[in-house]
Amino acid sequence: EVQLLESGGGLVQPGGSLRLSCAASGFTFSSYAMSWVRQAPGKGLEWVSVISGSGGSTYYADSVKGRFTVSRDNSKNTLYVQMNSLRAEDTAVYYCAKAGSVVVAALFDYWGQGILVTVSS
Amino acid sequence: EIVMTQSPATLSVSPGERATLSCRASQSVSSNLAWYQQKPGQAPRLLIYGASTRATGIPARFSGSGSGTEFTLTISSLQSEDFAVYYCQHYNNWPPITFGQGTRLEIK
Repeated sequence: EVQLLESGGGLVQPGGSLRLSCAASGFTFSSYAMSWVRQAPGKGLEWVSVISGSGGSTYYADSVKGRFTVSRDNSKNTLYVQMNSLRAEDTAVYYCAKAGSVVVAALFDYWGQGILVTVSS
Repeated sequence: EIVMTQSPATLSVSPGERATLSCRASQSVSSNLAWYQQKPGQAPRLLIYGASTRATGIPARFSGSGSGTEFTLTISSLQSEDFAVYYCQHYNNWPPITFGQGTRLEIK
C-alpha cells in the first residue's frame, strides 16, 4: 500500500524558513518523480515543484522559484522541500504527490494527507 | 502557461441524477488531462487520467471524455459520497503544471 506522510509544517514568520519532509512507502521510491502541490485556505490546487526519480531534474512554479528547493534522499525514501524567504501568500496546506507512472511525472496518483504551513507575524 | 478553466463554478444536482462538469484548456493538451476529486479536509484523489481512463478503484459511474481543449467529466448517477470539489489538471507541455479552479458539486 502506497503511503505518503508529510511533516515539518507549522507557523513561521515572514522572511523565515521551513523544511517539509514526505516519507514514502509501498513503492519503489527512486523510480518515480515526486511533486509538491499546495492549497491556500479555501482556494484551489497549485503545483509547486517536481523532482525526477533520480533527483537530477527539478522544476518549479514561478511563484516559488529561487526561494524553494526540492530534493530527495532515495536511500531514506524521503522527499523534501526547503522553503526560504517565506511570504504570507505561501500559507497553505502542502501535499506531496507521487507520479502516476515512471514515464509521466506530472500526473499524481497518490497524495499525502497534507501539512499546514502558516506564514504570519 | 496553459490555463485551465472549469465550469460551472458550482453545480447543484439531486442524488441519482447525472452531473456534467466541463474543463477547457487555453491550448491543446492532447489527451493529457486528469480529473481529481477532493472532499473537505482530505487530499485530492485521482479519478481519471488520459482524459478518459478511470484510475484504480474508481466506480464506473465516473467517465471522462474529450481531447485537445475541451473535456468533460460525467457522473452518471450521483451518490451521496460524490458531492465534493472536482479539479481538472493538464500534464502536457509542462512546466508549469496547472489545475482548473475547481467545480463544487453540491446537493440540490
